[in-house]
Amino acid sequence: AQSVTQPDIHITVSEGASLELRCNYSYGATPYLFWYVQSPGQGLQLLLKYFSGDTLVQGIKGFEAEFKRSQSSFNLRKPSVHWSDAAEYFCAVGMNTGNQFYFGTGTSLTVIP
Amino acid sequence: ETGVTQTPRHLVMGMTNKKSLKCEQHLGHNAMYWYKQSAKKPLELMFVYNFKEQTENNSVPSRFSPECPNSSHLFLHLHTLQPEDSALYLCASSRRRTASGNTIYFGEGSWLTVV
Repeated sequence: AQSVTQPDIHITVSEGASLELRCNYSYGATPYLFWYVQSPGQGLQLLLKYFSGDTLVQGIKGFEAEFKRSQSSFNLRKPSVHWSDAAEYFCAVGMNTGNQFYFGTGTSLTVIP
Repeated sequence: ETGVTQTPRHLVMGMTNKKSLKCEQHLGHNAMYWYKQSAKKPLELMFVYNFKEQTENNSVPSRFSPECPNSSHLFLHLHTLQPEDSALYLCASSRRRTASGNTIYFGEGSWLTVV
């Protein structure tokens, strides 16, 4: 069965430090990959997505993610975290038929001064 | 502004009330979704509409009744709810349900509290 795993439930980083949030998926073919961010009390905002081509994808707010087929991973990175990045981050996988979409359980990010 | 607007943003209702959540998308999409997000639980897909037709109902209790009058509007009618139904209800849309490379866009959510 297809699945999405975000191994880290909660991460704390200092402002200005680098960030990497992990995402692993289980799917037989190449999936479509997404990262969403959810600020407290808000809906999910699309940060970036990977469909094909360059495996390093740039997104909004200075985030990037790298698709690694050999590791079935799509980790999210940011070189320098800002206090406003504190939020819940969700990885999602879409199947190539488009009719299934799976979300991870989310990683909560705390940013300390 | 995501192009998906949900109203109301907050709703408090008694267990015997009848209320509705409304969602409108301005993205020209043909698929619309209702998700439920409870504390400490994964996102739960509730209903899917594709070109106004309901294509998925993921074992949602009948006290939740969706309605999709056109591709731009989606409602979730609520009646005889239970306190455990208190959650954030997220509406979303996408180009269409079976499009390759489908991207789902979410609204801001409606916070529902059942008392």
